Amino acid sequence: DAGVIQSPRHEVTEMGQEVTLRCKPISGHNSLFWYRQTMMRGLELLIYFNNNVPIDDSGMPEDRFSAKMPNASFSTLKIQPSEPRDSAVYFCASKMTGGNQPQHFGDGTRLSIL
Amino acid sequence: AQSVTQLDSHVSVSEGTPVLLRCNYSSSYSPSLFWYVQHPNKGLQLLLKYTSAATLVKGINGFEAEFKKSETSFHLTKPSAHMSDAAEYFCVVSGTRIQGAQKLVFGQGTRLTINP
Repeated sequence: DAGVIQSPRHEVTEMGQEVTLRCKPISGHNSLFWYRQTMMRGLELLIYFNNNVPIDDSGMPEDRFSAKMPNASFSTLKIQPSEPRDSAVYFCASKMTGGNQPQHFGDGTRLSIL
Repeated sequence: AQSVTQLDSHVSVSEGTPVLLRCNYSSSYSPSLFWYVQHPNKGLQLLLKYTSAATLVKGINGFEAEFKKSETSFHLTKPSAHMSDAAEYFCVVSGTRIQGAQKLVFGQGTRLTINP
């Protein structure tokens, strides 16, 4: 079975550039989550969607970050303009409805902003 | 609100000896609890989950966890550590349902080191 697919796996870019991270959730999953992981702050939830609708974006650090889910099989996380402090590993996860359903994580995008 | 406390940030054991990773939770209702493992440069992988059925939950790779409501604990154990178990482990509780969706509340993680 295909798991959560994230692209790219690695991204290195200069500050000020726009960065777009992509996620394809597991088919049939209706909730999608974006996380950021750093050594200093650990794993942080940025935003999550249910049935393609953003539910809680309180974890988005600032207006430079935006996320969309145009359909059930695709989501993007965009940073514009990017800054060196945005360097982190960004994970996408998806799950089926139900509190006892686990989240399934992708392998992440390692982002480095120079 | 739900919360999770992992009592050890780092645990080191010898190969072949038992593993114990400790987790306490706080929840205003009967929780769903999970343990995830993260190997270097990888995403989080589900080890096991508790969902109010049996209190002793068996997971992958020989791991198991016991839900103890009276102690609000969900400790992860394995009888015999293997070198491949070296990783970061996260104890997780399900959060409040909002508009049909439920986020997870993560512990800070425990780094498990296996000595040869």
